[in-house]
Amino acid sequence: GEDVEQSLFLSVREGDSSVINCTYTDSSSTYLYWYKQEPGAGLQLLTYIFSNMDMKQDQRLTVLLNKKDKHLSLRIADTQTGDSAIYFCAESLNNAGNMLTFGGGTRLMVKP
Amino acid sequence: KAGVTQTPRYLIKTRGQQVTLSCSPISGHRSVSWYQQTPGQGLQFLFEYFSETQRNKGNFPGRFSGRQFSNSRSEMNVSTLELGDSALYLCASSFWREGNEQFFGPGTRLTVL
Repeated sequence: GEDVEQSLFLSVREGDSSVINCTYTDSSSTYLYWYKQEPGAGLQLLTYIFSNMDMKQDQRLTVLLNKKDKHLSLRIADTQTGDSAIYFCAESLNNAGNMLTFGGGTRLMVKP
Repeated sequence: KAGVTQTPRYLIKTRGQQVTLSCSPISGHRSVSWYQQTPGQGLQFLFEYFSETQRNKGNFPGRFSGRQFSNSRSEMNVSTLELGDSALYLCASSFWREGNEQFFGPGTRLTVL
C-alpha cells in the first residue's frame, strides 16, 4: 500500500535555509509533488519531480529525490516569513498525477 | 485565467442530512479530483472524474458520490451525513496527460452538527 510520512514541525530563522523531508513507500510512484497550504486556503502546487530525476531546482526551491531510500526533500533557500505554512509531499498513484497520496504535512514556522 | 472555484465555501448541516458541493475547474481542464481533509486523517483521495466518467475512486463508503457534467464542472454528494464527515473538501483540476499538475480550489468547509 501507499504511505507517505513527514515530520510535523520545522522552525527556522528568516534568511536561513529550510529542509523539509518526506519518505514514501510505493516504489512504483512516477511523480512526487510538493504542495503548500496557508491558513484557510487550498493547496498551492510548488513543484514536482519525475522519479527518474535526482534533483530539480526552481528559483529558491530545490527538490532532492533518493529513490533507493524512498526519500524526498524540499529545500527552501533564503526562507522568508511569507514561507510560513504547511508543506505537503504527495506521491501519485497513477501516471496522470490526479490521484495523490499525501503526507501529514510539515508546519514550517519562520521567525524574523 | 480563473482558478478552480468551489461553492459554497462554508456549509453547516446536521446528522442525517445530505449535501452537494460544487466545483468549477480551470477552463480547458477535463480531469477533476476530490479530496477530503480532516485533522485526524489528513488529505485523502475521494474520486476522480474525466469526461463525465468516474475513473478512480478512493476508499470511502458509498455515501460519497459524485458526477461530472459535459462542461467539466463537478459535484460531489454526501448522503446521510455523520459527524465524522466534517472536513475541508478540496477539488482539483488538471489536464489529462502524464505528470500533469493538479490545481486546487480553496475548498468547502463542511461542518456536521
